[in-house]
Amino acid sequence: EAQVTQNPRYLITVTGKKLTVTCSQNMNHEYMSWYRQDPGLGLRQIYYSMNVEVTDKGDVPEGYKVSRKEKRNFPLILESPSPNQTSLYFCASSFNRGSYGYTFGSGTRLTVV
Amino acid sequence: KQEVTQIPAALSVPEGENLVLNCSFTDSAIYNLQWFRQDPGKGLTSLLLIQSSQREQTSGRLNASLDKSSGRSTLYIAASQPGDSATYLCAVKVSNFGNEKLTFGTGTRLTIIP
Repeated sequence: EAQVTQNPRYLITVTGKKLTVTCSQNMNHEYMSWYRQDPGLGLRQIYYSMNVEVTDKGDVPEGYKVSRKEKRNFPLILESPSPNQTSLYFCASSFNRGSYGYTFGSGTRLTVV
Repeated sequence: KQEVTQIPAALSVPEGENLVLNCSFTDSAIYNLQWFRQDPGKGLTSLLLIQSSQREQTSGRLNASLDKSSGRSTLYIAASQPGDSATYLCAVKVSNFGNEKLTFGTGTRLTIIP
């Protein structure tokens, strides 16, 4: 089944403790992206990657890092999480050509205390 | 900068009624528009993808229309059911220096009353 898989689904952590949220897709998509969803603000792009070893900042990149060493994986790294990073995170992927739609993962609910 | 607006923010209708959800966007230079459904605390399920060259797309009881020149899209749901209760999001795909990102509206929360 074609899908984007995120792990974990739920995570509670403490301020400053480094964490990684994994994302993997099995559709051979070149383009991958991370979004966060907050009440009243909608979904905002954090980082994106147009292909292996090509990443760039989205609209709200502060406090996050990403890497794209393999085509299928695009982990989101929070080196020193803070409470304002408490949010619902989504990974998405697509072919790198305009006409294609996006496939989203099931989301990761992160709480930083 | 592309902005996407969905009105109303919330809508309640009795079961069996037909309904229309609205989406508007400020920049008509889009690749496509996608309608998603999101259940509380859950992921995004793609409902319909409509290309910039298309006027409408249909899937079952759902029909999405696109008027790119006026920056508007509608999602029509026929014969609504309680299982249709969810938040509906529209998103436009644009290219910004190669970043083919989605810009989302804040959604319409739909409640179907049995």
